[in-house]
Formats: sequence, structure tokens, C-alpha cells
Amino acid sequence: EPEVTQTPSHQVTQMGQEVILRCVPISNHLYFYWYRQILGQKVEFLVSFYNNEISEKSEIFDDQFSVERPDGSNFTLKIRSTKLEDSAMYFCASSAASGTGSEKLFFGSGTQLSVL
Amino acid sequence: GNSVTQMEGPVTLSEEAFLTINCTYTATGYPSLFWYVQYPGEGLQLLLKATKADDKGSNKGFEATYRKETTSFHLEKGSVQVSDSAVYFCALSGSGTASKLTFGTGTRLQVTL
Repeated sequence: EPEVTQTPSHQVTQMGQEVILRCVPISNHLYFYWYRQILGQKVEFLVSFYNNEISEKSEIFDDQFSVERPDGSNFTLKIRSTKLEDSAMYFCASSAASGTGSEKLFFGSGTQLSVL
Repeated sequence: GNSVTQMEGPVTLSEEAFLTINCTYTATGYPSLFWYVQYPGEGLQLLLKATKADDKGSNKGFEATYRKETTSFHLEKGSVQVSDSAVYFCALSGSGTASKLTFGTGTRLQVTL
């Protein structure tokens, strides 16, 4: 089965530093997402992206966050100035379609971000 | 808003035991319901889904029935194997908000010989 690939698997950074989390979605997919899970808490939706723009975002996704599809294959999440509370597992996902509420999302294995 | 509540883990079972992981939800409209599974070192994978009331999703011996009257989507398997050890996530998506899955906290299942 095709896979969503995320790099790095672990990222350690100092508070206030910028980080970029990278994802390679499945090649023929059109919809891209970021979710995160803080340790012991629920997996939370951050943002969805389609046709080179954000289609939906959550309250968590504030001005410190941005997403980009720089080259037609990668999908990145940037955190401009990391805070301790940004420490979490970040999951990238992609899907071939959207809008029906029942399509299958394919998730990557996650990037564990630790902010010190 | 939408929310999902699933039973606390970890759940530890012997091989061939019966599994139930409870999941209840709160949502407006008619959500689709999902179970995702995360094996060690891997991403979340869709295990099964149901898109309307009384639908039963099934895959790999796992089943869950969409119960609107009890707002539940409990995951069951008649005989678990060691290879089923993983974290199981219940999730829903609201009508027309297909990209925005609302997840439960996940339930870790450990199956022993």
C-alpha cells in the first residue's frame, strides 16, 4: 500500500527556534493535513490544505504556524518560534478526495517534536 | 462541538480472548465514524468505518456498528492475536467537514501469549 513519509522521526529544538516538519504525501493525493497529539491527550486537527491554500484550520493553528507545498511533492509545517507547549507528535495525512465525510486518510508515522 | 470518548487503556488480554473497546461520540448532524489503528513505529491506519446509522464496519476480524440511539461505535473482535497489539483510535468526521477528524485519546491494546 502507498505510504505517507514524514521526516525527521524525532526533532529536538530550543524554545524560540523555528522548526520545519516535512512530509511526502501519496503522489496522486490532492488533500493534505496536519494533526498533532500532545502526550496523553487526543489527536487534534491542525490544518487542511488543497489547491495550494488552506481549506480549514483549527484554533491551535495560529500565526506561529504555516504550511507550504514548495515543490509539488513535499508538504511542510513550519513553527516560527517554538514554545514548550508545542512539544507533541505531529502527524501528516493525505487523501485522494474530500467533502463526503467518509474518505480514507493515509497518515504518516509522525514526527516527535520536543521543545526544550 | 464534536467529541469522542473512548475507554482508558491499556487493555491487556490473552491471545484468543474477546475484545471490546468502547467508543461514544457527541456530534451534530450525521457524522461518519472510524476506527484507526497505530502499530508500533507506524502511522495511523484506517481499520474500519461506518457512514450511517446501523452500518457495520468490518476488517481483519474487527467489527463496529454505528449506533445512533446510543451514540456509540464500539470496536469488537472475537479472538485477538499478539499481532493485534497496537493503539486503537476512535474518530468521527462531521458532514461536509471531511478533512477534520475528531479523535478519541486512543486505547493501547497489549495481547500476550
